[in-house]
Amino acid sequence: GENVEQHPSTLSVQEGDSAVIKCTYSDSASNYFPWYKQELGKGPQLIIDIRSNVGEKKDQRIAVTLNKTAKHFSLHITETQPEDSAVYFCAAMETSYDKVIFGPGTSLSVIP
Amino acid sequence: EPEVTQTPSHQVTQMGQEVILRCVPISNHLYFYWYRQILGQKVEFLVSFYNNEISEKSEIFDDQFSVERPDGSNFTLKIRSTKLEDSAMYFCASGRDDGYTFGSGTRLTVV
Repeated sequence: GENVEQHPSTLSVQEGDSAVIKCTYSDSASNYFPWYKQELGKGPQLIIDIRSNVGEKKDQRIAVTLNKTAKHFSLHITETQPEDSAVYFCAAMETSYDKVIFGPGTSLSVIP
Repeated sequence: EPEVTQTPSHQVTQMGQEVILRCVPISNHLYFYWYRQILGQKVEFLVSFYNNEISEKSEIFDDQFSVERPDGSNFTLKIRSTKLEDSAMYFCASGRDDGYTFGSGTRLTVV
């Protein structure tokens, strides 16, 4: 089955700096790669996703890149703000309604 | 924006007791899921439900677990005889073919 690895496990950045989280996956059948943000006491919230026919996608300060050949994908957050502090999970799935295979998470702290 | 609603937000139960966790999915969604997250660990898939039947379940989802969609709106997870290791956050999710939405979770504490 699918296995998703994620690095780093914790990340601290100064407000205004960029943050990058990297993931790898094992199953070449995976075609949908969502990223979730989880704030304390809440459920995972989808912040951006990318499908295998696209190499990059951007939404304001958030961008994702996908290298399907290498089975790598990354989340980039620019101009970080304190409210970006949360746990971020990458995931890989065959379809957008398949079970979500989460990575282990990255705890991001943005220091004011 | 439509939400997935879960009740209760926190449930404390005695070991060996039955618990039912409730979820109201988004109304036009077709796929329904339960996940759990043990404190400090990643979110794990339990079960998916489509067309009024289980479509997939994980090895965690043993005979102690069951799901129902009794009235076309609610989606429930039942744990028949709770164990200490069932203590976790349980998340319901619902979706269509363009991704899905998670609820805020029920924190289950088994004592």
